[in-house]
Amino acid sequence: QKEVEQNSGPLSVPEGAIASLNCTYSDRGSQSFFWYRQYSGKSPELIMFIYSNGDKEDGRFTAQLNKASQYVSLLIRDSQPSDSATYLCAVNPASGGSYIPTFGRGTSLIVHP
Amino acid sequence: DAGVIQSPRHEVTEMGQEVTLRCKPISGHDYLFWYRQTMMRGLELLIYFNNNVPIDDSGMPEDRFSAKMPNASFSTLKIQPSEPRDSAVYFCASSLAGYRDTIYFGEGSWLTVV
Repeated sequence: QKEVEQNSGPLSVPEGAIASLNCTYSDRGSQSFFWYRQYSGKSPELIMFIYSNGDKEDGRFTAQLNKASQYVSLLIRDSQPSDSATYLCAVNPASGGSYIPTFGRGTSLIVHP
Repeated sequence: DAGVIQSPRHEVTEMGQEVTLRCKPISGHDYLFWYRQTMMRGLELLIYFNNNVPIDDSGMPEDRFSAKMPNASFSTLKIQPSEPRDSAVYFCASSLAGYRDTIYFGEGSWLTVV
């Protein structure tokens, strides 16, 4: 059973702070990693993807991947109240010919003014 | 592109009734997915299709659930008979082939079975 684990939260941070969201996965052969944001009552939307070890930056968002330790994280700098949402980690196992990602349960982020 | 289109957006039905959810994927996408999301279980993959062919339906909870994709631009998820525990948000999603491709979600169908 391929698993993706996230702390459900809520993670509460003040406006302007750095929010750090973490995700661990069980399949060591996983190849691609995605972060989706889901606002309350809406559908998930992709905000970041990462394939290689290290950091990937996109605006205020930084994805970090460590395949040896089997974790991927998302940092949100200068957090804004509009960042308040649930963040879903998705991991593509890419083993056994399956390219279908497994989603974590999501971490709820609250950014308070 | 209009994105993934789902209907109905909201449905309230009585236990025992048949429910049909509809989906139009993004044109050109090879994969179509049906997910169910609840507070208790999170986002669960029910079934997915590749080029209109069902590939893995191991996530379908029981025989009351069925899904079809008669052509590249249309899919249905049917629940018959419906039960209160089927109340959830059902998302249809699509993507291009390949392990690096983004999954695009529809807005969801909010189902309440009373």
